Amino acid sequence: EAQVTQNPRYLITVTGKKLTVTCSQNMNHEYMSWYRQDPGLGLRQIYYSMNVEVTDKGDVPEGYKVSRKEKRNFPLILESPSPNQTSLYFCASSYQGIGYEQYFGPGTRLTVT
Amino acid sequence: SQQGEEDPQALSIQEGENATMNCSYKTSINNLQWYRQNSGRGLVHLILIRSNEREKHSGRLRVTLDTSKKSSSLLITASRAADTASYFCVFGTSYGKLTFGQGTILTVHP
Repeated sequence: EAQVTQNPRYLITVTGKKLTVTCSQNMNHEYMSWYRQDPGLGLRQIYYSMNVEVTDKGDVPEGYKVSRKEKRNFPLILESPSPNQTSLYFCASSYQGIGYEQYFGPGTRLTVT
Repeated sequence: SQQGEEDPQALSIQEGENATMNCSYKTSINNLQWYRQNSGRGLVHLILIRSNEREKHSGRLRVTLDTSKKSSSLLITASRAADTASYFCVFGTSYGKLTFGQGTILTVHP
């Protein structure tokens, strides 16, 4: 089944404790991206990747890192999480970029205390 | 902000009625897409319209795009209770960036 998976689905952590949210897709998509969704602010793009080893900042990259060492994986790294990073995070992938249907993962609900 | 604006923010209708949602944006776009989100779950793609297209249909969905007015609309005909969800317009502004509208919360009453 074609899908985007995220892990973990729920995470409660403390300020400053490094964490990684994994994202994997099985559709051989070149484009992957991360978003955060906050009430009243909608979804905002954090980082995107056009292909392996090609990443770039979205609208809200501060406090986040990404890497794209393999085509299928695009982990989101929070080196020192802070409470303002409490949010619902979505990973998405598409065939070749923004001109194609985006396939979204189920979301990761992160709480930083 | 390059974020799109959608209106209405919330829409409540009866089953069988039509629902229309509008999206406006500020920059030039390559294409515009509409997605649905059920209560905090992942977004599901509904339809994509390219900048050189004016109208597109998919089942009960009709999307229009007016690049001169920088606006798009999504029409859902003969709404069902199962259409209750949030609807987002999403547009590509540059090389790899995607920008979301604020979303319209649609409630369809049985």
